[in-house]
Amino acid sequence: KAGVTQTPRYLIKTRGQQVTLSCSPISGHRSVSWYQQTPGQGLQFLFEYFSETQRNKGNFPGRFSGRQFSNSRSEMNVSTLELGDSALYLCASSSGGNPQETQYFGPGTRLLVL
Amino acid sequence: AQTVTQSQPEMSVQEAETVTLSCTYDTSESDYYLFWYKQPPSRQMILVIRQEAYKQQNATENRFSVNFQKAAKSFSLKISDSQLGDAAMYFCAYRSYFLSSGSARQLTFGSGTQLTVLP
Repeated sequence: KAGVTQTPRYLIKTRGQQVTLSCSPISGHRSVSWYQQTPGQGLQFLFEYFSETQRNKGNFPGRFSGRQFSNSRSEMNVSTLELGDSALYLCASSSGGNPQETQYFGPGTRLLVL
Repeated sequence: AQTVTQSQPEMSVQEAETVTLSCTYDTSESDYYLFWYKQPPSRQMILVIRQEAYKQQNATENRFSVNFQKAAKSFSLKISDSQLGDAAMYFCAYRSYFLSSGSARQLTFGSGTQLTVLP
């Protein structure tokens, strides 16, 4: 079974631009979660989607948004980029997003904002 | 809200030796899940081991085992017979058991411990 895939793997943007990151979960998985990893703040939860609905959201500004498609693929969008948005963005998938399930992570997208 | 603390930013171990990574957490919940994830330089987060809080028996996966002390809210990872491939950043993580909890659908991570394996 193919693992979680994320595209692109690397991205360079400038302040004020917007960016869209993509995540394809493991086949059959319907829950996708997004995390931001920075040296200063560590790993922080962004949001979780299941069946095209956002079920849970972390403490991030409205510039961070996401969506999920009917095939469970998910995208996250960051508008009006700031220097502090430079981070590794990880997505994770699980079957139903239930607590007992293991979350499988993708390789991440490294975003650099100049 | 739950918090996870890893007090050792860096650790090193000689190849073939044993090392223990520490993790403590704070929660008012009675049931939850605890995880150790490994993140090698490739950046892909890999599950090492998981523990259900309602199970008294400590989880074991090959060379990896945990020491789960529920009353002390401690969850340490022991790596036996360390190998060069074990070098990575290790994260301890918490997830609530109850769907009614805001943290049931997310992992709360500690700050990580960078493990170096010396040949």
